[in-house]
Amino acid sequence: GIQVEQSPPDLILQEGANSTLRCNFSDSVNNLQWFHQNPWGQLINLFYIPSGTKQNGRLSATTVATERYSLLYISSSQTTDSGVYFCAVSTGNQFYFGTGTSLTVIP
Amino acid sequence: NAGVTQTPKFQVLKTGQSMTLQCAQDMNHEYMSWYRQDPGMGLRLIHYSVGAGITDQGEVPNGYNVSRSTTEDFPLRLLSAAPSQTSVYFCASGGAGGELFFGEGSRLTVL
Repeated sequence: GIQVEQSPPDLILQEGANSTLRCNFSDSVNNLQWFHQNPWGQLINLFYIPSGTKQNGRLSATTVATERYSLLYISSSQTTDSGVYFCAVSTGNQFYFGTGTSLTVIP
Repeated sequence: NAGVTQTPKFQVLKTGQSMTLQCAQDMNHEYMSWYRQDPGMGLRLIHYSVGAGITDQGEVPNGYNVSRSTTEDFPLRLLSAAPSQTSVYFCASGGAGGELFFGEGSRLTVL
């Protein structure tokens, strides 16, 4: 299967700070998604981004498929951004998840 | 706006008991899948289906069975539960665009 590595594993930020989360993957993929798992355990879609750049409010993501990595940017962080961020990749019908970045935003 | 619905949300089993986790989606998605989430290990694919009557194994299929008789439903069966199957289980469906949509999860404890 495809290996997916996320960094950093843990991140603590003061409210209002910016951050960059990274996802490296070991093979070519045709599907890459970012998810946020909130403190209640719900998994929420952030971006479907197999290549290129997308923005949604304070969040944006960039995937450089040829170099096998993706970045998730969080600007002006809020306490509601706390949780675990997962990257998932696929080449077909099987999805592979990284172990996530646990983000804590302190007021 | 039901999306993906999983039941039950919580379940406690004794070793050797059987049970079925239910998953239903109302988005007419062909693709459905089951994952387990264990501490520090992210989500791992158990089984998936690309349409009614078609299922296949993922990374960690041992101890689990699935079937897909309708587009809407994709139940996960544990025939003889073991403590190693204590986990949080997520069902997801995906449309033609490739995005996955998750249910709220089912927390299973096997004693």
